[in-house]
Amino acid sequence: DIVMTQTPLSLSVTPGQPASISCKSSQSLLHSDGKTYLYWYLQKPGQSPQLLIYEVSSRFSGVPDRFSGSGSGTDFTLKISRVEAEDVGVYYCMQGIHLPTFGQGTKVEIK
Amino acid sequence: EVQLVQSGAEVKKPGESLKISCKGSGYSFTSYWIGWVRQMPGKGLEWMGIIYPGDSDTRYSPSFQGQVTISADKSISTAYLQWSSLKASDTAMYYCARQITMVQGVTIPAIRGGFDPWGQGTLVTVSS
Repeated sequence: DIVMTQTPLSLSVTPGQPASISCKSSQSLLHSDGKTYLYWYLQKPGQSPQLLIYEVSSRFSGVPDRFSGSGSGTDFTLKISRVEAEDVGVYYCMQGIHLPTFGQGTKVEIK
Repeated sequence: EVQLVQSGAEVKKPGESLKISCKGSGYSFTSYWIGWVRQMPGKGLEWMGIIYPGDSDTRYSPSFQGQVTISADKSISTAYLQWSSLKASDTAMYYCARQITMVQGVTIPAIRGGFDPWGQGTLVTVSS
C-alpha cells in the first residue's frame, strides 16, 4: 500500500488568516500517463466528505478559489488563502495511482 | 442532479449477515466506478474497494479482501456492500462514492479519479 502522511494533524486558525496542510506519499504519484493522482477532501462536521481538489491542483466544481493545491511526486500541499468559518472540518489527502489510500486527516478549527 | 442514496442505519448482532445498498441516479450508473469507504467512530477514511457496475469488475483493498463482498445490480442502479458474519469491529459509518475526474469542465469516469458525489452514509452498529 502507498502510505499517505499528513501534517499537521490539527490546526487552529484565525478567520481571514492562511492555512496550509502537507501530505507526503511513500511512493511517487506521477503516472506514466503524465497525470499525478492526488486528491483533497473536506469532511465538515456531521457530513459526508466532499471533493475539493483533483489531480494535485485543479479545483473541483463550486470550490472557492481560496483553496489551492500544489506539489509533485511525493510532496503535496493544500492551502487556504483566507480561512472562513465554513472551512472547519477534517481535510484528507488521497492517492489514486494505485488502490486508493487516504491520509490520517487534518482537523481545522477556528480560533 | 447526480445522487447516491444509501440505505438506512442498521443494528446487528455479532455473527449476523448484512447487505447495505447505494442507489445512483442522475447519471449513467453503468459507466462509473463506485467505491466504498469505511469510517470507524472518531477515525479517518479507509478505502475498501470499488466496482464497475457495467461488468461487475471489482477490486478490493487487501485489508478488506475476504471480509466483505461488493456487488452491483445495474438493472436498478444499485451497488451493495455485504458481510456474511459481522463482528463488533465492523461498527462504523460506510460511504459509497462515484469515481470521477474532470476534463474541460465536464465530469467523466476515471478509475484513478477522485470521489464525487458521496452517499449520505450508512451507520452499521454491531453489538451483542
